[in-house]
Amino acid sequence: GQNIDQPTEMTATEGAIVQINCTYQTSGFNGLFWYQQHAGEAPTFLSYNVLDGLEEKGRFSSFLSRSKGYSYLLLKELQMKDSASYLCAVRNAGNMLTFGGGTRLMVKP
Amino acid sequence: ETGVTQSPTHLIKTRGQQVTLRCSSQSGHNTVSWYQQALGQGPQFIFQYYREEENGRGNFPPRFSGLQFPNYSSELNVNALELDDSALYLCASSLAPGFSGANVLTFGAGSRLTVL
Repeated sequence: GQNIDQPTEMTATEGAIVQINCTYQTSGFNGLFWYQQHAGEAPTFLSYNVLDGLEEKGRFSSFLSRSKGYSYLLLKELQMKDSASYLCAVRNAGNMLTFGGGTRLMVKP
Repeated sequence: ETGVTQSPTHLIKTRGQQVTLRCSSQSGHNTVSWYQQALGQGPQFIFQYYREEENGRGNFPPRFSGLQFPNYSSELNVNALELDDSALYLCASSLAPGFSGANVLTFGAGSRLTVL
C-alpha cells in the first residue's frame, strides 16, 4: 500500500520562504508530484521529481530523496496569492496518484 | 488547448439515489481518472479509464462505476448514495499510462456532490 504524510497546516509571512515536507512509504514508485489547490478550484500542477535532487521552477523548488522516502516543496518570496493547499502525490507505474492529506498554507502580511 | 471540463458543478441528492457525473478530457489526452476529495482531505483515487476500459481501481465499492467514450470523455456513476459520498469529485486527464516523462494529470474543477 501507500502512505503519504505532510503537515496539515502552516503559516508564513509575505516575502518569506517556506518549506513543506512530505514523507512517503510506497509499494511502487514512479515519480512524485506537487499540486497547488485554491479553495473550490482544481488542483494545478507545480512540480515533478523522479530522480533524486532539486528541481527549480521560478519561485518554487522541489526536492526528492528516494532512499529516504522524502520530498519537500520550497516556496520563495511568498505572496498572498500563495495561500492555498499544497498536495504531495506519489505515482505508480500505471500513472495513478496517491495523495497526502494536503498542507494548508496561510500567508500573512 | 481546452482544459478538463466537468458537469454539473454542484448537485444535491438524497440517500439511496443514483448520480452521474460527466467529464471532458483535455485536448490530446486519451486517459481519464476520477478522484474523490472529502472536505479538508487529499483526493482519493477511484479508477482510471484507458481505451474505454477500466485500467485500475482504488479502494471503492462496485456501486462506483464508470464509462469512457470513443471521444475520451467519461462518466462516473454512483448508485445507492450514502451520506459519506458527499465530496468533491475530480476528473483528471492525461496521456496513456506508461507514457515516459512527467505525463502530468490535468484536473477539472470538480463536481461537488451533497447527499442528504
